[in-house]
Amino acid sequence: DQQVKQNSPSLSVQEGRISILNCDYTNSMFDYFLWYKKYPAEGPTFLISISSIKDKNEDGRFTVFLNKSAKHLSLHIVPSQPGDSAVYFCAASENRDDKIIFGKGTRLHILP
Amino acid sequence: EPEVTQTPSHQVTQMGQEVILRCVPISNHLYFYWYRQILGQKVEFLVSFYNNEISEKSEIFDDQFSVERPDGSNFTLKIRSTKLEDSAMYFCASSEARSSKEKLFFGSGTQLSVL
Repeated sequence: DQQVKQNSPSLSVQEGRISILNCDYTNSMFDYFLWYKKYPAEGPTFLISISSIKDKNEDGRFTVFLNKSAKHLSLHIVPSQPGDSAVYFCAASENRDDKIIFGKGTRLHILP
Repeated sequence: EPEVTQTPSHQVTQMGQEVILRCVPISNHLYFYWYRQILGQKVEFLVSFYNNEISEKSEIFDDQFSVERPDGSNFTLKIRSTKLEDSAMYFCASSEARSSKEKLFFGSGTQLSVL
Protein backbone atom coordinates (compact mmCIF):
# COMPACT_ATOMS: atom_id res chain seq x y z
CA ASP A 1 0.00 0.00 0.00
CA GLN A 2 1.41 3.33 -1.02
CA GLN A 3 0.21 5.89 1.47
CA VAL A 4 2.65 8.45 0.09
CA LYS A 5 3.04 8.61 -3.67
CA GLN A 6 5.58 10.39 -5.77
CA ASN A 7 4.52 9.69 -9.30
CA SER A 8 7.51 11.25 -11.05
CA PRO A 9 10.61 9.08 -10.67
CA SER A 10 12.76 11.81 -12.17
CA LEU A 11 12.70 15.46 -13.13
CA SER A 12 15.14 17.63 -15.08
CA VAL A 13 15.20 21.40 -14.62
CA GLN A 14 17.42 24.11 -16.01
CA GLU A 15 19.67 25.85 -13.52
CA GLY A 16 18.03 29.07 -12.29
CA ARG A 17 14.49 27.90 -13.07
CA ILE A 18 11.89 26.64 -10.63
CA SER A 19 11.81 22.96 -9.64
CA ILE A 20 8.42 21.63 -8.57
CA LEU A 21 8.23 18.21 -6.97
CA ASN A 22 4.83 16.71 -6.30
CA CYS A 23 3.50 14.27 -3.75
CA ASP A 24 0.10 12.76 -3.04
CA TYR A 25 -1.06 10.93 0.06
CA THR A 26 -4.00 8.76 0.91
CA ASN A 27 -4.12 8.70 4.70
CA SER A 28 -6.26 11.56 6.01
CA MET A 29 -4.85 10.98 9.50
CA PHE A 30 -1.45 12.33 8.47
CA ASP A 31 -0.88 15.64 10.20
CA TYR A 32 2.76 16.33 9.50
CA PHE A 33 4.59 16.33 6.20
CA LEU A 34 8.29 16.46 5.45
CA TRP A 35 10.67 16.59 2.53
CA TYR A 36 14.03 14.87 2.71
CA LYS A 37 16.93 15.18 0.33
CA LYS A 38 19.35 12.35 -0.36
CA TYR A 39 22.71 12.36 -2.08
CA PRO A 40 24.34 9.10 -3.23
CA ALA A 41 26.10 7.17 -0.44
CA GLU A 42 24.47 9.35 2.21
CA GLY A 43 21.39 9.02 4.37
CA PRO A 44 18.31 11.21 3.87
CA THR A 45 18.62 14.70 5.34
CA PHE A 46 15.70 16.81 6.47
CA LEU A 47 14.87 19.72 4.17
CA ILE A 48 11.56 21.31 5.13
CA SER A 49 8.30 20.37 6.84
CA ILE A 50 4.73 21.53 7.16
CA SER A 51 2.02 20.90 9.70
CA SER A 52 -1.49 20.09 8.52
CA ILE A 53 -2.77 23.32 10.07
CA LYS A 54 -0.80 25.33 7.51
CA ASP A 55 -0.92 25.48 3.74
CA LYS A 56 2.51 26.94 3.09
CA ASN A 57 5.92 26.96 4.67
CA GLU A 58 8.91 28.77 3.28
CA ASP A 59 12.60 28.45 4.07
CA GLY A 60 14.94 30.33 1.79
CA ARG A 61 14.75 28.89 -1.71
CA PHE A 62 12.44 26.08 -0.55
CA THR A 63 8.69 26.33 -0.17
CA VAL A 64 6.29 23.53 0.62
CA PHE A 65 2.60 23.85 -0.25
CA LEU A 66 -0.09 21.66 1.27
CA ASN A 67 -3.56 21.16 -0.21
CA LYS A 68 -5.40 19.02 2.31
CA SER A 69 -8.61 18.73 0.35
CA ALA A 70 -6.68 17.27 -2.58
CA LYS A 71 -4.29 15.35 -0.29
CA HIS A 72 -1.44 16.85 -2.24
CA LEU A 73 1.76 18.63 -1.38
CA SER A 74 4.51 20.11 -3.46
CA LEU A 75 8.04 21.33 -2.96
CA HIS A 76 9.17 24.39 -4.89
CA ILE A 77 12.85 25.19 -5.27
CA VAL A 78 13.64 28.56 -6.77
CA PRO A 79 16.09 29.30 -8.20
CA SER A 80 17.36 25.77 -8.78
CA GLN A 81 21.08 25.28 -8.30
CA PRO A 82 23.45 22.47 -9.36
CA GLY A 83 23.80 21.32 -5.74
CA ASP A 84 20.07 20.64 -5.66
CA SER A 85 20.59 17.57 -7.86
CA ALA A 86 19.60 14.73 -5.54
CA VAL A 87 16.74 12.36 -4.73
CA TYR A 88 13.88 14.07 -2.90
CA PHE A 89 11.63 12.05 -0.63
CA CYS A 90 8.19 13.19 0.41
CA ALA A 91 7.21 11.82 3.82
CA ALA A 92 4.29 11.99 6.20
CA SER A 93 3.40 10.99 9.71
CA GLU A 94 0.68 10.99 12.31
CA ASN A 95 1.63 12.94 15.40
CA ARG A 96 0.95 9.96 17.65
CA ASP A 97 3.31 7.69 15.69
CA ASP A 98 7.06 7.32 15.80
CA LYS A 99 7.27 6.26 12.20
CA ILE A 100 7.57 8.40 9.10
CA ILE A 101 6.05 7.05 5.88
CA PHE A 102 8.17 7.81 2.83
CA GLY A 103 7.40 8.00 -0.84
CA LYS A 104 9.63 6.34 -3.44
CA GLY A 105 11.46 9.54 -4.21
CA THR A 106 11.98 11.79 -7.22
CA ARG A 107 15.43 12.17 -8.70
CA LEU A 108 16.01 15.83 -9.57
CA HIS A 109 18.63 16.74 -12.18
CA ILE A 110 19.61 20.38 -12.43
CA LEU A 111 20.92 21.03 -15.92
CA PRO A 112 23.62 23.66 -16.55
CA GLU B 1 28.40 18.67 13.10
CA PRO B 2 27.36 15.55 15.01
CA GLU B 3 26.41 12.58 12.88
CA VAL B 4 24.99 9.09 13.06
CA THR B 5 27.66 6.53 12.18
CA GLN B 6 26.91 3.15 10.68
CA THR B 7 29.22 0.19 10.21
CA PRO B 8 29.92 -1.61 8.00
CA SER B 9 29.03 0.36 4.88
CA HIS B 10 28.60 -2.91 2.96
CA GLN B 11 27.81 -6.37 4.26
CA VAL B 12 27.60 -9.51 2.17
CA THR B 13 26.20 -12.65 3.73
CA GLN B 14 24.88 -16.06 2.79
CA MET B 15 21.18 -16.79 3.12
CA GLY B 16 20.40 -18.23 6.54
CA GLN B 17 23.31 -16.51 8.25
CA GLU B 18 22.97 -14.03 11.09
CA VAL B 19 24.03 -10.43 10.57
CA ILE B 20 24.45 -7.56 12.98
CA LEU B 21 24.31 -4.03 11.67
CA ARG B 22 25.85 -1.43 13.94
CA CYS B 23 25.05 2.19 14.57
CA VAL B 24 26.39 4.90 16.82
CA PRO B 25 23.62 7.48 17.27
CA ILE B 26 24.27 11.12 18.12
CA SER B 27 25.39 11.20 21.74
CA ASN B 28 22.59 13.22 23.38
CA HIS B 29 19.79 11.58 21.39
CA LEU B 30 17.30 9.36 23.17
CA TYR B 31 15.22 7.91 20.33
CA PHE B 32 16.64 5.44 17.85
CA TYR B 33 15.25 4.02 14.63
CA TRP B 34 15.95 1.58 11.85
CA TYR B 35 14.63 2.10 8.33
CA ARG B 36 15.44 0.21 5.16
CA GLN B 37 15.25 0.82 1.44
CA ILE B 38 15.04 -2.05 -1.00
CA LEU B 39 16.55 -1.04 -4.34
CA GLY B 40 14.11 1.10 -6.29
CA GLN B 41 11.55 1.12 -3.50
CA LYS B 42 10.58 3.56 -0.77
CA VAL B 43 12.35 3.99 2.54
CA GLU B 44 10.43 1.84 5.04
CA PHE B 45 10.18 2.12 8.80
CA LEU B 46 11.28 -0.96 10.73
CA VAL B 47 11.44 -0.08 14.41
CA SER B 48 11.80 2.68 16.99
CA PHE B 49 13.53 2.27 20.33
CA TYR B 50 13.44 4.34 23.47
CA ASN B 51 14.41 3.78 27.08
CA ASN B 52 15.82 0.35 26.26
CA GLU B 53 12.70 -1.00 24.69
CA ILE B 54 10.91 -1.08 21.37
CA SER B 55 8.31 1.67 21.22
CA GLU B 56 6.92 0.92 17.76
CA LYS B 57 7.59 -1.63 15.06
CA SER B 58 6.29 -2.35 11.57
CA GLU B 59 4.98 -5.63 10.23
CA ILE B 60 8.31 -6.06 8.44
CA PHE B 61 10.00 -6.33 11.84
CA ASP B 62 9.16 -9.95 12.53
CA ASP B 63 10.77 -12.47 14.90
CA GLN B 64 13.86 -12.66 12.71
CA PHE B 65 14.73 -9.08 13.66
CA SER B 66 15.90 -7.73 16.99
CA VAL B 67 17.42 -4.50 18.23
CA GLU B 68 19.68 -3.82 21.15
CA ARG B 69 21.52 -1.00 22.83
CA PRO B 70 24.34 -3.06 24.34
CA ASP B 71 26.14 -0.09 25.86
CA GLY B 72 25.79 3.66 26.11
CA SER B 73 26.77 4.37 22.54
CA ASN B 74 25.88 1.55 20.14
CA PHE B 75 22.51 0.60 18.68
CA THR B 76 22.37 -2.66 16.74
CA LEU B 77 19.97 -4.41 14.38
CA LYS B 78 20.28 -8.19 14.25
CA ILE B 79 18.74 -10.35 11.55
CA ARG B 80 18.81 -13.89 12.87
CA SER B 81 18.49 -15.89 9.65
CA THR B 82 18.80 -13.72 6.58
CA LYS B 83 16.62 -14.18 3.52
CA LEU B 84 17.22 -13.02 -0.02
CA GLU B 85 14.51 -10.38 0.38
CA ASP B 86 16.38 -8.82 3.31
CA SER B 87 18.82 -7.37 0.78
CA ALA B 88 18.47 -3.61 1.17
CA MET B 89 20.10 -0.44 2.40
CA TYR B 90 19.54 -0.21 6.15
CA PHE B 91 19.48 3.25 7.68
CA CYS B 92 19.87 3.99 11.37
CA ALA B 93 18.46 7.27 12.68
CA SER B 94 18.27 9.10 15.98
CA SER B 95 16.50 12.10 17.45
CA GLU B 96 16.46 14.04 20.70
CA ALA B 97 12.72 13.73 21.18
CA ARG B 98 9.95 11.58 19.78
CA SER B 99 8.09 14.52 18.31
CA SER B 100 11.17 15.94 16.57
CA LYS B 101 10.57 14.32 13.24
CA GLU B 102 12.31 17.15 11.41
CA LYS B 103 15.28 16.66 13.70
CA LEU B 104 15.67 13.02 12.75
CA PHE B 105 19.26 12.39 11.71
CA PHE B 106 20.04 9.46 9.43
CA GLY B 107 23.29 7.60 9.03
CA SER B 108 24.79 6.84 5.62
CA GLY B 109 23.43 3.32 5.67
CA THR B 110 24.66 -0.25 5.48
CA GLN B 111 24.11 -2.00 2.16
CA LEU B 112 23.20 -5.59 3.00
CA SER B 113 23.47 -8.15 0.22
CA VAL B 114 22.12 -11.63 0.93
CA LEU B 115 23.35 -14.27 -1.51
